[in-house]
Amino acid sequence: RKEVEQDPGPFNVPEGATVAFNCTYSNSASQSFFWYRQDCRKEPKLLMSVYSSGNEDGRFTAQLNRASQYISLLIRDSKLSDSATYLCVVREDPGGSYIPTFGRGTSLIVHP
Amino acid sequence: EADIYQTPRYLVIGTGKKITLECSQTMGHDKMYWYQQDPGMELHLIHYSYGVNSTEKGDLSSESTVSRIRTEHFPLTLESARPSHTSQYLCASSDPVGQGDEKLFFGSGTQLSVL
Repeated sequence: RKEVEQDPGPFNVPEGATVAFNCTYSNSASQSFFWYRQDCRKEPKLLMSVYSSGNEDGRFTAQLNRASQYISLLIRDSKLSDSATYLCVVREDPGGSYIPTFGRGTSLIVHP
Repeated sequence: EADIYQTPRYLVIGTGKKITLECSQTMGHDKMYWYQQDPGMELHLIHYSYGVNSTEKGDLSSESTVSRIRTEHFPLTLESARPSHTSQYLCASSDPVGQGDEKLFFGSGTQLSVL
């Protein structure tokens, strides 16, 4: 079983739609959680951290459910420029080293 | 914008050659990482470093080596390139050790093709 699992998609949605991605992780001792965005043939860039209480940044909302070991990303009012791959990242703590583990990513295509 | 640089951006090389991929950052970050990523697939950790003279192996490290002589420099070496090494190699750095909410900064990557 993979440590971090995501539905690869693609999710194909019209502009203005609301779309949600989920990510599950296997290590219950995981400490920190993030969503990164990766455009085609580019490097990943941090979109937002995910906090236990949930957090929002403009049109983006992230949630964490430690009991079920999943995190989610909600995008409201999708824009064409949101088209990208969204990577779920879990930072585990094997002996305090805080190694980040990446999911395969979920592809989002926003069309006119 | 991140101040982390990788060279070369693209490299085509023959089987059996020794190659070194360069990575430098000017942010003073202690932690640095090398990841390998195939198209549409997840990033796999190859090596990481906590700081100068510290190097650790990741998931795919058996065919490569790294060094960390200076804080800003973290080169990756393949002693004998093979076609299976064809991939994108991404270097990253992060904030000081001990902070759980560390943000990763990535370089633009090196696309390696081994013929």
